[in-house]
Amino acid sequence: DTGVSQNPRHKITKRGQNVTFRCDPISEHNRLYWYRQTLGQGPEFLTYFQNEAQLEKSRLLSDRFSAERPKGSFSTLEIQRTEQGDSAMYLCASSLTSAGGTEAFFGQGTRLTVV
Amino acid sequence: ILNVEQSPQSLHVQEGDSTNFTCSFPSSNFYALHWYRWETAKSPEALFVMTLNGDEKKKGRISATLNTKEGYSYLYIKGSQPEDSATYLCAFGGNAGNMLTFGGGTRLMVKP
Repeated sequence: DTGVSQNPRHKITKRGQNVTFRCDPISEHNRLYWYRQTLGQGPEFLTYFQNEAQLEKSRLLSDRFSAERPKGSFSTLEIQRTEQGDSAMYLCASSLTSAGGTEAFFGQGTRLTVV
Repeated sequence: ILNVEQSPQSLHVQEGDSTNFTCSFPSSNFYALHWYRWETAKSPEALFVMTLNGDEKKKGRISATLNTKEGYSYLYIKGSQPEDSATYLCAFGGNAGNMLTFGGGTRLMVKP
């Protein structure tokens, strides 16, 4: 296991289209997090899973965003009817327990550009 | 909304210079303070996770201190090298939740 893997690395889409990103966490990690980072800002929390249960969602996560983690393994983040404001780097991270106190391991991110 | 701030936003130094950055965070409901290094086109990499007031951690030429009572942490780099060029992020872990709240980062550029 070489770490957290995210696909695709880059995605360019037209406004109004749906996009889906995938995150494969470190296999033994039960916590999985999604963050979004825009230029000049730090990563902003979107949502997190413990195993397959989605336990917390940020108010940033509008109804157009949905995340799943079937079987507690990989996770997908879908954005429906994309808007230009959705252009950002989407980061996934995983950890063994709460990321509050233990190291979270990040993927390289998926950079979304909405044109 | 938690306020985690980092200063400076960016820093240009010469190779060999020592430098330090500041992270300020809420002093209430503190659980942990994380430092990450994020190089372009790579994943953010954890440097330190600090939980106790007065904690000092060191990894090679990089060290960090923590003051939870006043809500700040310093990251020091001794003898900066070009390979230290990256964005350094701090993140606050509060005991009210399970996510990390990140600062805006300090972008360090070390000139050879």
